[in-house]
Amino acid sequence: GAVVSQHPSWVICKSGTSVKIECRSLDFQATTMFWYRQFPKQSLMLMATSNEGSKATYEQGVEKDKFLINHASLTLSTLTVTSAHPEDSSFYICSARDRLGGGQTYEQYFGPGTRLTVT
Amino acid sequence: QKEVEQDPGPLSVPEGAIVSLNCTYSNSAFQYFMWYRQYSRKGPELLMYTYSSGNKEDGRFTAQVDKSSKYISLFIRDSQPSDSATYLCAPRGNTDKLIFGTGTRLQVFP
Repeated sequence: GAVVSQHPSWVICKSGTSVKIECRSLDFQATTMFWYRQFPKQSLMLMATSNEGSKATYEQGVEKDKFLINHASLTLSTLTVTSAHPEDSSFYICSARDRLGGGQTYEQYFGPGTRLTVT
Repeated sequence: QKEVEQDPGPLSVPEGAIVSLNCTYSNSAFQYFMWYRQYSRKGPELLMYTYSSGNKEDGRFTAQVDKSSKYISLFIRDSQPSDSATYLCAPRGNTDKLIFGTGTRLQVFP
């Protein structure tokens, strides 16, 4: 099956620093990738939709200058949390839509997530 | 009102029990109804999905959608300890955007 990886799986950083999280589709090409954030005991909240070669589309309330998304190739999207603060501590999960999915029936394949702790 | 409401649980059942997991939603434009399973500290994995109203069965799992009452259900028969996880409903319309419920934590004890 389709596999999505994320790196790192967990990261601790100091307040004010920037952190980059990578999301890779390992065995398929993904024209569209999604970034979610999940706080403890809460649902996944979509942060942004990333299309290869174009600017990401951010959900309302998500600061695009703080959460920089780059989808430079069909297999890699990165999320950079700039000037991180303790309130940014969360579980960040990416997903990728299979390029061959087509039509209305498709699957988003999720990565294992990255746990970010900002001290 | 949240677009998708789901009882967070936890729901604790003995092995072999029939489990019923439910969601309600408010957006009548939703057409696809996904169920994801998420183990602790892992990303969600798709269990099954249904389109519009009706039932869909896959092994021990049955998904049911009643669009008239905006009610989504997932039934698990002969539950196993390995089914212990958080179950997330996630409907969507004709766009890519999934709207996740908070998830119901299920514990199946031997």
